[in-house]
Formats: sequence, structure tokens, C-alpha cells
Amino acid sequence: DAMVIQNPRYQVTQFGKPVTLSCSQTLNHNVMYWYQQKSSQAPKLLFHYYDKDFNNEADTPDNFQSRRPNTSFCFLDIRSPGLGDAAMYLCATSGRGKGTEAFFGQGTRLTVV
Amino acid sequence: LAKTTQPISMDSYEGQEVNITCSHNNIATNDYITWYQQFPSQGPRFIIQGYKTKVTNEVASLFIPADRKSSTLSLPRVSLSDTAVYYCLVVFSGGYNKLIFGAGTRLAVHP
Repeated sequence: DAMVIQNPRYQVTQFGKPVTLSCSQTLNHNVMYWYQQKSSQAPKLLFHYYDKDFNNEADTPDNFQSRRPNTSFCFLDIRSPGLGDAAMYLCATSGRGKGTEAFFGQGTRLTVV
Repeated sequence: LAKTTQPISMDSYEGQEVNITCSHNNIATNDYITWYQQFPSQGPRFIIQGYKTKVTNEVASLFIPADRKSSTLSLPRVSLSDTAVYYCLVVFSGGYNKLIFGAGTRLAVHP
């Protein structure tokens, strides 16, 4: 059973048109992460939540925002997508405590046209 | 967070043992070493984690020397389905994990 679910799997959006990607989890984990992964590159951390505490990476563009209305759900909003934002977006969760493993969703592949 | 260095790519053949070494010279006392596997168009998947010496599970073994400045992921008898990117991460154990991925090692297993 999928524990971290990302919807949709594939998203096509127009240049400059706001888009929202969603992630839900059934693990009741405290921590949720959003990563951007471009072709042949490693996942790049955009931001993460520890419960409701939001942590933005220093080099995450202002164009990217996130919301976590409750433990189970997290959203990635891209306010004005550019061609360079086309990528796979990965959501992950982990619990608190030493060395807990992270669980990743299948990702949403975003295409900007 | 300690920076990790791994080979960019490796090639192997079915049935061979593959060892991927990762260096993490600045690892801190409370840090764990964790490995993830990623197939194309999928999210990374946890493989194994350790603090020191040797850890083994049904998928792999992880060898960590006493100084903990490096670690080696060992995949016994690889098959074509082990073709993937393998990431070594150093993860802080004190609170929660902030996972920063390095470049990873692209393993290609050939028939």
C-alpha cells in the first residue's frame, strides 16, 4: 500500500500559470520534504516541514511556496512556472528520532509549455 | 552536514558483487550513514543505514571503518534489476533527518 502519495503523476502547465502539486501520507510522520529533481541530477531539497515549522533552503526560488494544512497533507505551489521549472518533484516523509528512514512518493513530473 | 563523495558511475555484470565507496571526511559524532537507491522515474528508496562496523540486511551490507570517514555499500550477486543510482547520505541523528543528496553513483549491470 502506498504510504506517500503524490498527485498527479504527470502535470502539464502553461508558462506563468500557477500550479499546485499535492502530497499525502498515511505514516503520521512529523517531517515532510519537497525535492526538485531534474534529468540526470540528484534530488535537490527545496524545503521541509517539521510539524508545522517551515524550513526553506537558502537557494529555493521565491517562486516556490509550500503549505502544510495538517499532518497528512503538503502542497507545493509554483506561482509562475518557467521553462526551467520543468522537473520531477518528489515528496518525502520521515519520523523523528535517530536515523529514521525517509519514504518517498512516486513523484510528479511537471512539464511547462 | 557532512559532504559526501562517491564515484559518478560504475559498471558490473550479473552475479558479481558490487562495492560502492563513499567518503564523508567531516562526519560528526551523531551522524548516521544512509544509502538510498533510485530507479528512473521513481522516488529514492531506503536501502540500509549504519553508524559503525558492519550492518547487513536482505538487500545489502554496509561496512564502516572505525574512523567513520568512509563507508562501503556492498551488493551481493547483482542482477539487471539492480541498475539504478545509489546515493550515500550522512544524516544527523539528533533530532530529525534533513536529507541532502550528493551526486550519487550510477550503477549499470550488464548481462
